[in-house]
Amino acid sequence: DSGVTQTPKHLITATGQRVTLRCSPRSGDLSVYWYQQSLDQGLQFLIQYYNGEERAKGNILERFSAQQFPDLHSELNLSSLELGDSALYFCASSVATGGARTDTQYFGPGTRLTVL
Amino acid sequence: AQSVSQHNHHVILSEAASLELGCNYSYGGTVNLFWYVQYPGQHLQLLLKYFSGDPLVKGIKGFEAEFIKSKFSFNLRKPSVQWSDTAEYFCAVKVADSWGKFQFGAGTQVVVTP
Repeated sequence: DSGVTQTPKHLITATGQRVTLRCSPRSGDLSVYWYQQSLDQGLQFLIQYYNGEERAKGNILERFSAQQFPDLHSELNLSSLELGDSALYFCASSVATGGARTDTQYFGPGTRLTVL
Repeated sequence: AQSVSQHNHHVILSEAASLELGCNYSYGGTVNLFWYVQYPGQHLQLLLKYFSGDPLVKGIKGFEAEFIKSKFSFNLRKPSVQWSDTAEYFCAVKVADSWGKFQFGAGTQVVVTP
C-alpha cells in the first residue's frame, strides 16, 4: 500500500458523459500527478499539481481538466467522453518541495474507466 | 527535455534465468533514476531508486540496478527470476533540482515461464 488513494476503483459510463476521478496523496506529499495508461498508448503523463497550483502539463486533452484542493486532494474531470478515453487512470504523489534534489513518486491503485 | 529509452519491449525467459533490462536516458545533468514494476492488473510499485552515491542500488524482491553515468544508463538486473516476476517494468528519470516531470520509458513486458 503506497498511501495514495483513488476513487472510484471502476467506472463505467457512456460516450458524451462527464466523470470525476478523485485522488488523495500520501500524508506529507504536496504534489499530485495524473497519468493515463492504455494498451495502445502506454503510460502517458497528463498533469501535475503542487500545493494547489498547476506545475506541469503533459498530453492532456482539452476535454480533461484537473484541480488540487486546499486539503491537497485532487480531482481529474473528463468530459464529452469518447470510446478512446477508456483506460486506467493513475494518480501519483510526491513531496516535490520546490525543486527538491531528490523526489520519489508513489502511485495509487488507479481508476479503470470504461466508456461504452 | 530528457527522454527515456527502454530497448526491450518484451522479454520471455524461464524461471531461474537471469534478467537484465536496459534503460538509457538523455540528459547531461544530475538525475534521479527509478525502476517501477506493474504486476498484472495492479498499479506501479517502486522497485528501487538512485539519487547519488554507490551506483549499484539494491531494491526489493532481489532486484538491483547499476547507474553508469558515462553511458547514461540505469539497467535493472535480477540473478534468478521467478514466475511471480512476470510483470511490466518501467524506468523513470527526473531531473534533480527542478520542477521537471518524471519521464517514464515505454515499459518492458517480462514473462517468466515455469
